[in-house]
Amino acid sequence: DTAVSQTPKYLVTQMGNDKSIKCEQNLGHDTMYWYKQDSKKFLKIMFSYNNKELIINETVPNRFSPKSPDKAHLNLHINSLELGDSAVYFCASSQATVNTGELFFGEGSRLTVL
Amino acid sequence: SQQGEEDPQALSIQEGENATMNCSYKTSINNLQWYRQNSGRGLVHLILIRSNEREKHSGRLRVTLDTSKKSSSLLITASRAADTASYFCATTGNQFYFGTGTSLTVIP
Repeated sequence: DTAVSQTPKYLVTQMGNDKSIKCEQNLGHDTMYWYKQDSKKFLKIMFSYNNKELIINETVPNRFSPKSPDKAHLNLHINSLELGDSAVYFCASSQATVNTGELFFGEGSRLTVL
Repeated sequence: SQQGEEDPQALSIQEGENATMNCSYKTSINNLQWYRQNSGRGLVHLILIRSNEREKHSGRLRVTLDTSKKSSSLLITASRAADTASYFCATTGNQFYFGTGTSLTVIP
């Protein structure tokens, strides 16, 4: 069974469209994250939720809106897509304490904006 | 920025050789972790070293940490073709900060 699963794996869309990526973890973790990996493989944190509550929001445009219906799910909705949004988006989860735990990643969702 | 920086950016070695990757960071940390990313896949945790530890081993992996120099190294001994991947260090303060990774190619 996949520990952190995200769908879809690939999205190709036009500028200006809206898209969503879903993420689910079955590890019982309290904290979930969204990371963006650019073409140079740099991984940047976007959001972090702990028990459905937003705890980190790293200067991400408000076109990006995370939603956590419960602690096992963290979805990412992106409005008015731009070319620069093209990247691989990774969902991850960890135990409650960031300082001691490890991250478990999903397989990534590759977004291409044309 | 607290992000780590890996060095070298790319490394190519023959199977059986050792591979050493370095990571430098900028601020104080609670722990430092190394992750592997195979092409087209998510990151997988390899090893964690706490700020009060200097060296840690796990199988063919050896990690060192020098907090005075704000640096860490990852040594993979007796490399295999399956070790071909990108390797990232991640530092943890109040969140995880990743570097840009070292791309390792192990030639059979």
